[in-house]
Amino acid sequence: IVMTQSPATLPLSPGERAILSCWASQNIRGNLAWYQQKPGQPPRLLIYGASTRAPGIPARFSGSGFGTEFTLTISSLQSEDVAVYYCQQYDEWPPVTFGQGTKLEI
Amino acid sequence: EVQLVESGGAVVQPGGSLRLSCAASGFTFNRFTLHWFRQAPGKSPEWVSLFSRNGVTTFYADFVRGRFTISRDNSRNSLYLEMHSLTTEDSALYYCAKEHGTMYFDSWGLGTRVTVS
Repeated sequence: IVMTQSPATLPLSPGERAILSCWASQNIRGNLAWYQQKPGQPPRLLIYGASTRAPGIPARFSGSGFGTEFTLTISSLQSEDVAVYYCQQYDEWPPVTFGQGTKLEI
Repeated sequence: EVQLVESGGAVVQPGGSLRLSCAASGFTFNRFTLHWFRQAPGKSPEWVSLFSRNGVTTFYADFVRGRFTISRDNSRNSLYLEMHSLTTEDSALYYCAKEHGTMYFDSWGLGTRVTVS
């Protein structure tokens, strides 16, 4: 399953809302996770099941979507949100597959 | 606190071999399926292999093509990846990761770097 993310780069200002998109090449139902990766760090799980926040993830992060179209929204950007964000499908495996990432710049 | 610490990465010539290790702590090791991922600079993470919590089942990415072997030692809380016939395409940061649910991952190590050159 091919995962496609848009945009590749997203420049925004603190306090703005970020909307990141992810598309699957086939129906993956709700089997989608979002990760945040900061430079020099491993990926951090933000969202699973398309919309469930992982433990400890701030409420400003939310996920939505089903089937082939998904969205990660960050409601009010903070400087520490600068990172690359990846979506990952786990509906059909192996392998699980990731999108190419969206780089969030502030 | 969950901790995963990878080791064993090195610079190796094409055709060479390496054995990666992942030492785990902070959770009940034998209750979780564990995975290896890799990530080349500027690229997305790429799934490599898994060893099931059932102690038997393993899966590999197609690009492994029989070159890699995953193993685990529950008595040592450790996961391993034996890699042979390495090519430049295998150069990457290799991570071990623990599942939160089936096939998504809440804990990752910091990685160990493999350079084939």
